[in-house]
Amino acid sequence: AQTVTQSQPEMSVQEAETVTLSCTYDTSESDYYLFWYKQPPSRQMILVIRQEAYKQQNATENRFSVNFQKAAKSFSLKISDSQLGDAAMYFCAFGGSNYKLTFGKGTLLTVNP
Amino acid sequence: DTGVSQDPRHKITKRGQNVTFRCDPISEHNRLYWYRQTLGQGPEFLTYFQNEAQLEKSRLLSDRFSAERPKGSFSTLEIQRTEQGDSAMYLCASSSQTGATDTQYFGPGTRLTVL
Repeated sequence: AQTVTQSQPEMSVQEAETVTLSCTYDTSESDYYLFWYKQPPSRQMILVIRQEAYKQQNATENRFSVNFQKAAKSFSLKISDSQLGDAAMYFCAFGGSNYKLTFGKGTLLTVNP
Repeated sequence: DTGVSQDPRHKITKRGQNVTFRCDPISEHNRLYWYRQTLGQGPEFLTYFQNEAQLEKSRLLSDRFSAERPKGSFSTLEIQRTEQGDSAMYLCASSSQTGATDTQYFGPGTRLTVL
């Protein structure tokens, strides 16, 4: 079974600064996907970024980028130029061959003006 | 693309009552998932449909829980004889089959409170 660990229950960042959220996972599969989802206080889960394990290049989406280290089973999310609207709970998720997603416990990000 | 919708958004019920939730996936998506999220936790997988076939159920899905997806369109999740431990947010997600794992898009959830 896969496990996903987010070791930072809470993080804070100043507006316009950069913050990195950590995620590690454990799996015996070689082909899988990793995701970061954002859940604002309204609780709608929104996809932030996706990474295919077979791709060596780190995924980027505007101000969001990942540092994917397959050998270390690490998948961190970097948010650049943080905005007040980035404040939310962030979940790291693993998607393997059995279709379901396995989520970490989340990191609550606070953005200070 | 109207997104995944769920109804109702909130449900308050008394212990022992039955409740039913509905999920309407993104129209062209053939995969549909149910998750449960309790306070302070990430979502946990409950069950998964590909078209109308229910392909996997979690051990979390006791015999009081049943899910259906008639005609491969919307899905319902029913909880019989609700217990206080069933209080949670029930999330639905859908995806389009492009491989073994594809991106799941989530609905707003149904928050269940069992008194």
